[in-house]
Amino acid sequence: DIQMTQSPPSLSASVGDKVTITCRASQGISIYLAWYQQKPGEAPKLLIKGSSTLRSGVPSRFSGHRSGTDFTLTISSLQPEDVGTYYCQNYNSGPPAFGRGTKVEI
Amino acid sequence: EVELVESGGGLVQPGRSLRLSCAASGFTFDDYAIHWLRQGPGKGLEWVSGITWDSGDTAYADSVRGRFTISRDNAKNSLFLQMNSLGTEDTALYYCARDPYPKRDIVGTTYYDFWGQGALVTVSP
Repeated sequence: DIQMTQSPPSLSASVGDKVTITCRASQGISIYLAWYQQKPGEAPKLLIKGSSTLRSGVPSRFSGHRSGTDFTLTISSLQPEDVGTYYCQNYNSGPPAFGRGTKVEI
Repeated sequence: EVELVESGGGLVQPGRSLRLSCAASGFTFDDYAIHWLRQGPGKGLEWVSGITWDSGDTAYADSVRGRFTISRDNAKNSLFLQMNSLGTEDTALYYCARDPYPKRDIVGTTYYDFWGQGALVTVSP
């Protein structure tokens, strides 16, 4: 099965900072990676599909990028409402695999 | 507005059974595969099971295969998860979530565009 290694486990940044979260797949998954945001006490919400396609309604400060088996989620200017845990997920093949999450704090 | 609402969670002893339900609204339920995922206390997300729009295909994680059964009633816009032989490792918040691609013939690997708020299952002596 494909494993997703996500880093860092947590980070603390200031409002307005640029934040980058990384996810590495254990084998090639093409573009089939999704990013989710989970705010405290809420269900996960889809942010990005296809490694870089922003879901309708998601603020443009969020972006996704792929380089081989490495994927990044970038928040260009961190806002207070972005606090939460972010997960990557492979959906190329096999059982859907999630990263262990990155907790973002301000 | 798409809405998924889970119910049926609770406290159960090891070895016992529990049945979760997921009520869907705001979309054509019988066009879409629906999945169960779970999140253990302080843990990440784990896919549990999925079922196609017409119940023609189902799939299970290795950790639950043979103990859990997924089913749906399209006439009632409802999804179910029958959980038998529960163990403490099954303690988690269980979410139902939608596959965004309509009328897929196999469960397949997918992402999830809408999630419910979750039903808490606690397995404890």
